[in-house]
Formats: sequence, structure tokens, C-alpha cells
Amino acid sequence: GAGVSQSPSNKVTEKGKDVELRCDPISGHTALYWYRQSLGQGLEFLIYFQGNSAPDKSGLPSDRFSAERTGGSVSTLTIQRTQQEDSAVYLCASSLSTAGGQETQYFGPGTRLLVL
Amino acid sequence: GENVEQHPSTLSVQEGDSAVIKCTYSDSASNYFPWYKQELGKGPQLIIDIRSNVGEKKDQRIAVTLNKTAKHFSLHITETQPEDSAVYFCAASIDSARQLTFGSGTQLTVLP
Repeated sequence: GAGVSQSPSNKVTEKGKDVELRCDPISGHTALYWYRQSLGQGLEFLIYFQGNSAPDKSGLPSDRFSAERTGGSVSTLTIQRTQQEDSAVYLCASSLSTAGGQETQYFGPGTRLLVL
Repeated sequence: GENVEQHPSTLSVQEGDSAVIKCTYSDSASNYFPWYKQELGKGPQLIIDIRSNVGEKKDQRIAVTLNKTAKHFSLHITETQPEDSAVYFCAASIDSARQLTFGSGTQLTVLP
């Protein structure tokens, strides 16, 4: 079946502009995660959604970052007033559920964001 | 919070040799330890995982061992092939948490 998809695959923007990144999780997966991967680094957790529960925003680096998940499916990560340090690969993952935090997370290909 | 350290950062082996990547974690409450493989330009892909109620798990040429007392776990790849070349990430999570905490990655190169 189809995996996690993300769009756009690449995004170049100017400092100060807003950007929106989209994630389509695997159909039927109730949990959705956003991570950020800076060049040569591991993955840094940003935000997590589970069903209709309030999202866990504990990983968002600043109030310029926000995310929403409409209808329990598609999610959009928004970065306002982008800064050069926001340049990274933004990865989305989904899982069937979050029982004990041990469900396999399946990752999308990521969106490569470059802020000039 | 959890902290995961991964070594080495780069590893080169000859085709057919074995490769070992090691990770340590800080939170003794962590009980789920997946390993991901990331090829250039792609998202991470789960290759194997282990839970704290077992000490070792094997899947063909790949095995993972877990030592909860020492708080470390390792990935073992035997009979390496050029297509094993990629970046490998270890991760850990706690029952009550939702996110994975990742190591910084190991660039594995298998030389033909």
C-alpha cells in the first residue's frame, strides 16, 4: 500500500517568509509525528498528534512553528517568519497507534527546506 | 529527558565483513529500541527493533542486542553488501512518551 507522502519535496524560501509543509499519513494510522533533521544530525522531535486528542507540542523550537491535523488525517506544519537556522529536512511519520509508545513509526521522504 | 549516544559516526568495512554500531541511552525507563536505515534523499526505514523484555533479536543478516543493566544496545550486520551502505540511526522511547529519541547516526560504507 501507499506509504507516508510529503510535499513539497524541496522548498527554497527567503528569510522572513512563511512556509507550509504537508504530510499525508498511511491510511488508517491514528498517530502522526513531525521531526526535523539538520545536516548531518539525528532526528529531533517536533510535534505529535494522536486521533482527536490535543497534540503534544513539547518539541516545537519556537512559537514560529505550528502544526495542525485536519480530519485526523492530513497534517500541515507551518513555519512563520523563517530564519536561516530553520533550514533542514522536515520528516513526517505515522503509526497505527501509540500503545506504550512502541508502535512502529513509518517515515515519509521528507521536505528539504532551504532558507536563504 | 532521554539522551541517546551513538558510535561510531562513520564506519567503513570490506564487503563480506561484519559491522557493529553501538548506542547508549540515559533513561532506564526506556523500553523500545528501533534501528532505522536512511539512504540518501530518502526517509528513515525501520530495519529491526527490540523491546526490553528480550536481550537479542535476529533477522537474517541483522541482529540487535540489548543490555538493560548497562543501558546500551547494538546493531550487528553480518556478511555486509554494498547495498548496506547508508546512514543508520538508533532510537529509544519510554512507555509514557510518544516520540522517539534518536542517536546522531552512523554513516556505514561497504567497500566492494
